[in-house]
Amino acid sequence: AQKVTQAQTEISVVEKEDVTLDCVYETRDTTYYLFWYKQPPSGELVFLIRRNSFDEQNEISGRYSWNFQKSTSSFNFTITASQVVDSAVYFCALDEINFNKFYFGSGTKLNVKP
Amino acid sequence: GAVVSQHPSRVICKSGTSVKIECRSLDFQATTMFWYRQFPKQSLMLMATSNEGSKATYEQGVEKDKFLINHASLTLSTLTVTSAHPEDSSFYICSARTGGASRGYTFGSGTRLTVV
Repeated sequence: AQKVTQAQTEISVVEKEDVTLDCVYETRDTTYYLFWYKQPPSGELVFLIRRNSFDEQNEISGRYSWNFQKSTSSFNFTITASQVVDSAVYFCALDEINFNKFYFGSGTKLNVKP
Repeated sequence: GAVVSQHPSRVICKSGTSVKIECRSLDFQATTMFWYRQFPKQSLMLMATSNEGSKATYEQGVEKDKFLINHASLTLSTLTVTSAHPEDSSFYICSARTGGASRGYTFGSGTRLTVV
């Protein structure tokens, strides 16, 4: 079974549109972290956010915001007023602390068109 | 902040040869490092977890004799692709757990391996 599911393979939006990237996870670990990473065409992974399983407070950082819902095992990522530079593949990831495992979702490719 | 330096960034090698990829933690000690493989347009698949001073733990389906991992010091982990074949061509990325209260991960910049 998939530990981290990103159902959206690819999304295309026009600049200035808002876009939400979905992430659903599955774990039996009682303590875990959730991450979002951005991977531009160059390949390096850019860290965006880390959330621990005990903190369900939503977070906003500039145009980025994250919605963590433990009840639905989701950790969605919203980009407000998207820009062309936001075009990249975005990965959601799960770090199972007690099981010492780290899993990536399959990624969502975001295309922001001018 | 914590930095992981990965080299080389790109390598082209002939089929049958071996290639070594290095990951160094520059300003922290990495007791645990992870190695991932990424095929084009796909996610990062965990290959193995390396712990300093002990044998690496390989994920199911990863050939340990083909992908040799050595973590001889707290700042260096290496992945050697032995007897490389074209199907080994991929993007390889390492990461290190920075640990402590921050429980973060730092990723190397990746190595694009092409076997011809």
